[in-house]
Amino acid sequence: VIWMTQSPSLLSASTGDRVTISCRVSQGISSYLAWYQQRPGKAPELLIYAASILQSGVPSRFSGSGSGTDFTLTISYLQSEDFASYYCQQYYNFPRTFGQGTKVEVK
Amino acid sequence: EVQLLESGGGLVQSGGSLRLSCAASGFSFSSYAMNWVRQAPGKGLEWVSGISVSGGTTYYADSVKGRFTISADNSRNTLYLQMDRLRAEDTAVYYCAKDHATVVPSYYFDDWGQGTLVTVSS
Repeated sequence: VIWMTQSPSLLSASTGDRVTISCRVSQGISSYLAWYQQRPGKAPELLIYAASILQSGVPSRFSGSGSGTDFTLTISYLQSEDFASYYCQQYYNFPRTFGQGTKVEVK
Repeated sequence: EVQLLESGGGLVQSGGSLRLSCAASGFSFSSYAMNWVRQAPGKGLEWVSGISVSGGTTYYADSVKGRFTISADNSRNTLYLQMDRLRAEDTAVYYCAKDHATVVPSYYFDDWGQGTLVTVSS
C-alpha cells in the first residue's frame, strides 16, 4: 500500500494569500497524482491530474508540481470560494489511496 | 452534462447487507471505468472499489475485499455495490465516481455523485 501524507492538516489563511499544501508519498509514483477540492457538504471535485495538469474549468490560480515522492498544490491568490478541504490521491497502483486531507480555513 | 445519482443507502445492523446503485447519464457509460469512494463522518476520502470498462476486472480496498462486490449493467447505465457482512466502520457517505480517462483507465475521478449515506449500527 502506498501511503500519502499531507501537510499541514489545517491551514489558516486570508483572502488574497498564496497557500501551499504538501503531499508526500511513501514510494515513488512518477507523476501519477491527482488533487481534489471538497467544499463542506459537497462531493469532491478534480482540480489537477498528472501532478500538474489543470482539469478543464479549474481557475488558473491553482497549480500543481512535483514528481516521485514530493508534490505540492499551490493556490496563488486565495479566493473566498477556495476555503475548503483538499486531498491528494495516487493512481500509480492499487489500492488507490488518498492523503488525509488539508482544511483551508479563514484566518 | 454528466450526472451520477446514488441510491440504496440507509440504516442497517452490523452483519447485514445493502446494495447501492448509481444511475449514470450524460456520457457513454460503457466507455469508462467506474468506482466507489467513501467518506466516514468527519473523515477523509477512502477509495473502496473500481471496475474496468468491460467489467471483467475489479479492484477492491483491503478493508472491503471479500465482503463487497462491484458490478455494472451497461444496458441500464448503472453501477452497483453489493455490501455484505457490514461493520460499524463501514458507516460513511458512499460516492460513485467516474474515471477521467477512456481508452486507458486511470482510476482517478473527474465526476462524482452527491453520495448516499450508509449507517451501520452495532
